[in-house]
Amino acid sequence: GENVEQHPSTLSVQEGDSAVIKCTYSDSASNYFPWYKQELGKRPQLIIDIRSNVGEKKDQRIAVTLNKTAKHFSLHITETQPEDSAVYFCAASPTGFQKLVFGTGTRLLVSP
Amino acid sequence: DSGVTQTPKHLITATGQRVTLRCSPRSGDLSVYWYQQSLDQGLQFLIQYYNGEERAKGNILERFSAQQFPDLHSELNLSSLELGDSALYFCASSVGYEQFFGPGTRLTVL
Repeated sequence: GENVEQHPSTLSVQEGDSAVIKCTYSDSASNYFPWYKQELGKRPQLIIDIRSNVGEKKDQRIAVTLNKTAKHFSLHITETQPEDSAVYFCAASPTGFQKLVFGTGTRLLVSP
Repeated sequence: DSGVTQTPKHLITATGQRVTLRCSPRSGDLSVYWYQQSLDQGLQFLIQYYNGEERAKGNILERFSAQQFPDLHSELNLSSLELGDSALYFCASSVGYEQFFGPGTRLTVL
């Protein structure tokens, strides 16, 4: 089955810096890759996603890139702010419209 | 607010007991997914229902069962509870690719 690895497990940056989180997946049939932000004790919140027919997608300060050949995808956050501090999860969907397989999460800390 | 609701917010019970978690999906969403989040296992997919039918199964124990009713709400039943079942249980709903999560039910088994 699908396996998703996520790095780093923790990431500390200064306000205004960029942050990059990387994930790799194992199942070449996966075709949907969302990113979720989870604050302590709250629900995972969908922040951006990408489908396998697209290489890059951007939404204001966040962007996701996908390399299907290498089976990895990355989240880029620019001009980080303290409110970006949270745990970020990547996920892959083996067939779309079905289960998500999550990475282990990255705790991002943005210091003022 | 994602539009997905879950009850109860918190549940404290004893080993060996049975509990039921309830989820109401966003209006119009036919798919409901259940996930378990624990410290050591991360976010794990349990089961998916689509318009009342079981669609996919993940790492769901035999002691756990779920169903989706005609009004599309779903219930997750956990029985013969063990200490290790303590976790956050989320449901999510979707109409397409995007899954939107509810606020979760925190289950504590003592």
